[in-house]
Amino acid sequence: EPEVTQTPSHQVTQMGQEVILRCVPISNHLYFYWYRQILGQKVEFLVSFYNNEISEKSEIFDDQFSVERPDGSNFTLKIRSTKLEDSAMYFCASHMPATGGSYTFGSGTRLTVV
Amino acid sequence: AQSVSQHNHHVILSEAASLELGCNYSYGGTVNLFWYVQYPGQHLQLLLKYFSGDPLVKGIKGFEAEFIKSKFSFNLRKPSVQWSDTAEYFCAVISNNAGNMLTFGGGTRLMVKP
Repeated sequence: EPEVTQTPSHQVTQMGQEVILRCVPISNHLYFYWYRQILGQKVEFLVSFYNNEISEKSEIFDDQFSVERPDGSNFTLKIRSTKLEDSAMYFCASHMPATGGSYTFGSGTRLTVV
Repeated sequence: AQSVSQHNHHVILSEAASLELGCNYSYGGTVNLFWYVQYPGQHLQLLLKYFSGDPLVKGIKGFEAEFIKSKFSFNLRKPSVQWSDTAEYFCAVISNNAGNMLTFGGGTRLMVKP
């Protein structure tokens, strides 16, 4: 069964540093997403991406965040200057409405900002 | 505001007990409904989904859910839980009134005692 792949599985970074989280969505999917889950809290939407541009973003997705699809396969989330409160599990998902609408999630990247 | 509510935050059951987890949403329009499960330390996995047709949908691992449009509900059920069902369960909704964004409820943490 096709999978969404995320790397790294765990990243520790110092406050103020830039991090890039990587995702390889399912190859024929067209919609891509980033969600995050702070420990013990709900899964929160960050951003959706379609046709090489952001289609929606939440209030969380401020100027410190950016997304990119640098080639035909990768989908990245960059946090420019990390803060302690950015510590969370970040999930990538991809979606192809024609296949029934469910999102396929990656296994997540646990980001720890120290 | 559009939202997804899961009123049971923590549920503790003994093995073989029956399970029902509540989910209510406040979206208008056409909705697609999902239940995801997150086992400890793992990523989100799709349990079942509803798009149209029979409002009683069956998913994996013996789970089912019933869409009751008049009550804006999509409760998850399982007649007899097992210890291995210990996990967090998330209800999620896509509404055509809210773009293509999957919105999660706050989650219900289920603990099944052996």
